[in-house]
Amino acid sequence: IAGITQAPTSQILAAGRRMTLRCTQDMRHNAMYWYRQDLGLGLRLIHYSNTAGTTGKGEVPDGYSVSRANTDDFPLTLASAVPSQTSVYFCASSRGLSDTDTQYFGPGTRLTVL
Amino acid sequence: AQSVTQPDIHITVSEGASLELRCNYSYGATPYLFWYVQSPGQGLQLLLKYFSGDTLVQGIKGFEAEFKRSQSSFNLRKPSVHWSDAAEYFCAVGARTTDSWGKLQFGAGTQVVVTP
Repeated sequence: IAGITQAPTSQILAAGRRMTLRCTQDMRHNAMYWYRQDLGLGLRLIHYSNTAGTTGKGEVPDGYSVSRANTDDFPLTLASAVPSQTSVYFCASSRGLSDTDTQYFGPGTRLTVL
Repeated sequence: AQSVTQPDIHITVSEGASLELRCNYSYGATPYLFWYVQSPGQGLQLLLKYFSGDTLVQGIKGFEAEFKRSQSSFNLRKPSVHWSDAAEYFCAVGARTTDSWGKLQFGAGTQVVVTP
């Protein structure tokens, strides 16, 4: 079944450690996104990519980095995790190039930073 | 910049009763508007979206929403809820500019509980 996969499903991480959250889509979508979901705040955009080879900053990019080496993969890296990065992280994708394109979401990664 | 407010954090509704979830947005022009649903432990699923044209939009699972420009609202409705509608619902707004392309602004969400 086509869609978006995220790994790991959940993770407990010590503060200061490096962590990469993986996201893969098989819909050949051009655009991909990373959001974090926090209680009472909804989803906030961390980084996005319009197409392979390009990335951009969202609303809350500090402490995170992304890369887009190919169409399918969009990993999110926390170089040195801090407790405030405890959250549920969602990857999404859209066909791209238009605001009218629907964003499709992965199942999420629950990250706890201690 | 666009913003969206969902005034109700939590709503309890009886199975078979009607449901209305409120969403108000702030944006200088006509926005793109979306409603997503998130079931427990799942990602978000698009219910419906409004871009232009008919202000009453039909979505999946029997939901509909009405865009009211004068009230800056995009409320979600369902005439008769089912137990499976228990979930969290998010309203989102997108701007019609290249600078804001793809950058949806989400509301904080409304948790819906369905009682027997």
